[in-house]
Amino acid sequence: GAVVSQHPSRVICKSGTSVKIECRSLDFQATTMFWYRQFPKQSLMLMATSNEGSKATYEQGVEKDKFLINHASLTLSTLTVTSAHPEDSSFYICSADKNPDTDTQYFGPGTRLTVL
Amino acid sequence: KQEVTQIPAALSVPEGENLVLNCSFTDSAIYNLQWFRQDPGKGLTSLLLIQSSQREQTSGRLNASLDKSSGRSTLYIAASQPGDSATYLCAATTGGGNKLTFGTGTQLKVEL
Repeated sequence: GAVVSQHPSRVICKSGTSVKIECRSLDFQATTMFWYRQFPKQSLMLMATSNEGSKATYEQGVEKDKFLINHASLTLSTLTVTSAHPEDSSFYICSADKNPDTDTQYFGPGTRLTVL
Repeated sequence: KQEVTQIPAALSVPEGENLVLNCSFTDSAIYNLQWFRQDPGKGLTSLLLIQSSQREQTSGRLNASLDKSSGRSTLYIAASQPGDSATYLCAATTGGGNKLTFGTGTQLKVEL
């Protein structure tokens, strides 16, 4: 199998605080992980590509200083939403490449962030 | 820039009916196209992946087709069941780095 977990599954925080979301590949190594954001009734939008041991590549319009990504090991990537505001409230989903040759990404269950 | 569109946005059908979901993409230079299922408040489950050199893929009651030249893919669901109720997303892989561009989704409801 290829299981990807995310923690926490749900988080509520006050405006101005920072929140860290973890994405783990449980039974495989992932050189590359991806972070997506999904607003209500909308599709998934790629935020950034996270490569183990190097800096993340951010999509146009995504603030790299606000959404800090760290991919310190082959099984863990973290997304930190710094100084969160209500407009950052969204569903954040990560995915991991099990094998780049197969072009298959395995998705985590998502994290619901609510900023008050 | 790749754009992916799905129609209809929502669909309600009685149990047992066969149905077709549509996906269109603007850039035909894709590596593959995938169909996913998303249940409310949950992550994504991969259903079918069609490589750019393939025309279709089948898994159980699901059949996905791909026509690169016209920029279209369809997902056919046979003998629909209430458990098929979910949002179905298609996604195209283009460019380098295995990046997915997702469609807008079709919300399916299969009624008893």
